Amino acid sequence: AQKVTQAQTEISVVEKEDVTLDCVYETRDTTYYLFWYKQPPSGELVFLIRRNSFDEQNEISGRYSWNFQKSTSSFNFTITASQVVDSAVYFCALSAPHRKYIFGTGTRLKVLA
Amino acid sequence: DTGVSQDPRHKITKRGQNVTFRCDPISEHNRLYWYRQTLGQGPEFLTYFQNEAQLEKSRLLSDRFSAERPKGSFSTLEIQRTEQGDSAMYLCASSPPPETTNYGYTFGSGTRLTVV
Repeated sequence: AQKVTQAQTEISVVEKEDVTLDCVYETRDTTYYLFWYKQPPSGELVFLIRRNSFDEQNEISGRYSWNFQKSTSSFNFTITASQVVDSAVYFCALSAPHRKYIFGTGTRLKVLA
Repeated sequence: DTGVSQDPRHKITKRGQNVTFRCDPISEHNRLYWYRQTLGQGPEFLTYFQNEAQLEKSRLLSDRFSAERPKGSFSTLEIQRTEQGDSAMYLCASSPPPETTNYGYTFGSGTRLTVV
């Protein structure tokens, strides 16, 4: 069975601090996709990144970076120099090819000015 | 391309009434998904269409729930005889085949259902 665990329910940081959101997944599939989505207070889920299981390269996009480690089944997300606008709920998700996404329960990030 | 549109944004209904939600996906996306999200939880899969064919349904989708996607364009999700436990945000998403893109689903803004 597939499962995504986001153990951090809520994190509060002060603006400009770095913060890492953890995601641990379980799957028996050899090929799978991992995702991060942002859900701001407005409610719409915003796609941030997709990572394929065969590509373990870490990725950086501006202040965002992702660390994918198959050995520990983790796909962690780091925001550098956090800003108030980063305040949202962040979801990690997993899917096999052509299958539905399995979402974690989310981590609520509060960035305080 | 205006993204995924959902209508209505909010719906308040009395227990026992039927409700119908509509989703208009991105036009070139052949896959359409319905998810349900309750407070403090991640989205849970309900059902999935590839073009007009409904390929998978979750066990969460009781007999009171039905979804259609006639002509492979927009989709509707109907809940009959609503119960208070149906109160949630209903999210629609669409995507092209995953092998053709390096992106994920595009989600709509959701329909928030409140059953009183």
